[in-house]
Amino acid sequence: GAGVSQSPSNKVTEKGKDVELRCDPISGHTALYWYRQSLGQGLEFLIYFQGNSAPDKSGLPSDRFSAERTGGSVSTLTIQRTQQEDSAVYLCASSPTGGAGSYEQYFGPGTRLTVT
Amino acid sequence: AQSVSQHNHHVILSEAASLELGCNYSYGGTVNLFWYVQYPGQHLQLLLKYFSGDPLVKGIKGFEAEFIKSKFSFNLRKPSVQWSDTAEYFCAVENTGFQKLVFGTGTRLLVSP
Repeated sequence: GAGVSQSPSNKVTEKGKDVELRCDPISGHTALYWYRQSLGQGLEFLIYFQGNSAPDKSGLPSDRFSAERTGGSVSTLTIQRTQQEDSAVYLCASSPTGGAGSYEQYFGPGTRLTVT
Repeated sequence: AQSVSQHNHHVILSEAASLELGCNYSYGGTVNLFWYVQYPGQHLQLLLKYFSGDPLVKGIKGFEAEFIKSKFSFNLRKPSVQWSDTAEYFCAVENTGFQKLVFGTGTRLLVSP
């Protein structure tokens, strides 16, 4: 079946502009995660959704970052007033559940964001 | 807070050599453990996972890992590497119930033919 998809695959933006990154999880997966992969920082957790609610936003680096999920499916990560340090690959992952039980997370191909 | 250490940042091996990549985590309690692999130009894929039971787990492509609870370790092994194993390998830990994965910084493996 289809895996996790993300769009755009690449995004170049000017410092100070807002960007939106999209994630389509695997159909039926209730849990959705955003991570960031950057040089020097490795892979960092940003936010976790269970359904449409976000019980864990602890990894969002600043209030310029926000995310939402609608219909228990698609999620959008928004970065306002982008800064050069926001340049990274933003990864989305989904899993069948984030609740009881243990499930692996399936990762998408990522969006490479470059802030000039 | 949980942290994960991968001590080998770059590893270079010849084909048929044996591989062991170290992974240690800091926080005790019940954990789920993972190794992910990222081949050049591809996205992260699960190599193997440990949730419970037999601490020696086998994954895809001949990889295996051993969970040693007393050492907070989950080292990855392969008896004989191939050129196609060239990739970056990430160890990840989930404290059960906390959902998020905490990743190590990754190990870049280069296998020369």
